[in-house]
Amino acid sequence: AQSVTQPDIHITVSEGASLELRCNYSYGATPYLFWYVQSPGQGLQLLLKYFSGDTLVQGIKGFEAEFKRSQSSFNLRKPSVHWSDAAEYFCAVGGGSQGNLIFGKGTKLSVKP
Amino acid sequence: GAGVSQTPSNKVTEKGKYVELRCDPISGHTALYWYRQSLGQGPEFLIYFQGTGAADDSGLPNDRFFAVRPEGSVSTLKIQRTERGDSAVYLCASSLNGLNTEAFFGQGTRLTVV
Repeated sequence: AQSVTQPDIHITVSEGASLELRCNYSYGATPYLFWYVQSPGQGLQLLLKYFSGDTLVQGIKGFEAEFKRSQSSFNLRKPSVHWSDAAEYFCAVGGGSQGNLIFGKGTKLSVKP
Repeated sequence: GAGVSQTPSNKVTEKGKYVELRCDPISGHTALYWYRQSLGQGPEFLIYFQGTGAADDSGLPNDRFFAVRPEGSVSTLKIQRTERGDSAVYLCASSLNGLNTEAFFGQGTRLTVV
């Protein structure tokens, strides 16, 4: 069955520290992979996506993610976290003919001064 | 409009009542999706429209849930005989044509069944 696992429910990092959010997926075919961010009261915003090609993907707000097929992972990284990055982050996989997504349960990021 | 618009933003209804949730997608987007997000969970797929037709409704939990998109633009999610377990945020997304195109999400409708 297709699924997405985000092992960390809640992560706290200091402002200026680096960040890595983990995502593992299970998908029968070549996956399309996404990271979304959801701030309180806001809709989901796409940070970045991987369809094919270079396995290191750059996104908005200084985020990047690396697709590792051998590990079925698509971890999100940022070298220096800002207080405004505090939000919930969702990893998702798609690839069916419809384009509907399967989401993980999310990782809540808190940033301490 | 510039983005995906969902109305109302909040809806409180009594158990057993009927509710309608509206989604106005980005103009020109042929693909439209409904998701449901329960507290502490990621969004779960409900139904996908390509144009006017429901191409995939496999995520609808039961026959109390129904959605339409009669003119290929605005969509309405309809829930009959609401139950407390239906309480969630209902998200709508649209994309240009479905496959390989970015989905843009609305801010959601928070449904509370009391």
